[in-house]
Amino acid sequence: GAVVSQHPSWVICKSGTSVKIECRSLDFQATTMFWYRQFPKQSLMLMATSNEGSKATYEQGVEKDKFLINHASLTLSTLTVTSAHPEDSSFYICSARSERATGELFFGEGSRLTVL
Amino acid sequence: QQQVKQSPQSLIVQKGGISIINCAYENTAFDYFPWYQQFPGKGPALLIAIRPDVSEKKEGRFTISFNKSAKQFSLHIMDSQPGDSATYFCAASTRQTGANNLFFGTGTRLTVIP
Repeated sequence: GAVVSQHPSWVICKSGTSVKIECRSLDFQATTMFWYRQFPKQSLMLMATSNEGSKATYEQGVEKDKFLINHASLTLSTLTVTSAHPEDSSFYICSARSERATGELFFGEGSRLTVL
Repeated sequence: QQQVKQSPQSLIVQKGGISIINCAYENTAFDYFPWYQQFPGKGPALLIAIRPDVSEKKEGRFTISFNKSAKQFSLHIMDSQPGDSATYFCAASTRQTGANNLFFGTGTRLTVIP
């Protein structure tokens, strides 16, 4: 099946710093990628939809200046958590939809962010 | 508003038993119903999916039963194994492309006891 790679898988940073998480579709092109946030023992919460070559679409309540999304190519989307604070600590997951139009979403392995 | 309702929240099953997880939806426009399996610290992985033109789909020990009139679908794990212990999410979406119309259930934490 299709593969989506996320990097880093875990990161620890100090408050006030910025952290970038990469999401790559390894064997297919994805004009659309999605970023989720997941708190312990909870479901995935969609943060934003990343569109190649255009601005991301953010869900209600998600600060676009806090969570910067860039989708520079058909295989790469990045999420940058700017001026991170402890409350931003979470598990961030990306997904990509294959352009083969089956409707199937492929998920990355997730990135665990801990802000000290 | 929770578009897809999932139960139970947690489930404990003996090895060899059948695990059953249920989901219900309201939006009749949904036409794709996947189940995802997630291990701790990992992203969700597609387990099995069904479209509403069939009432059942089986892949190995995993079966989806779909009841269109009741707007319900369920996952059955036959001969449950300790390695099946994970969190399972049902989801629903439409064929609309280019949008994230995948709505997740709240998840079921399955524990299979040896």
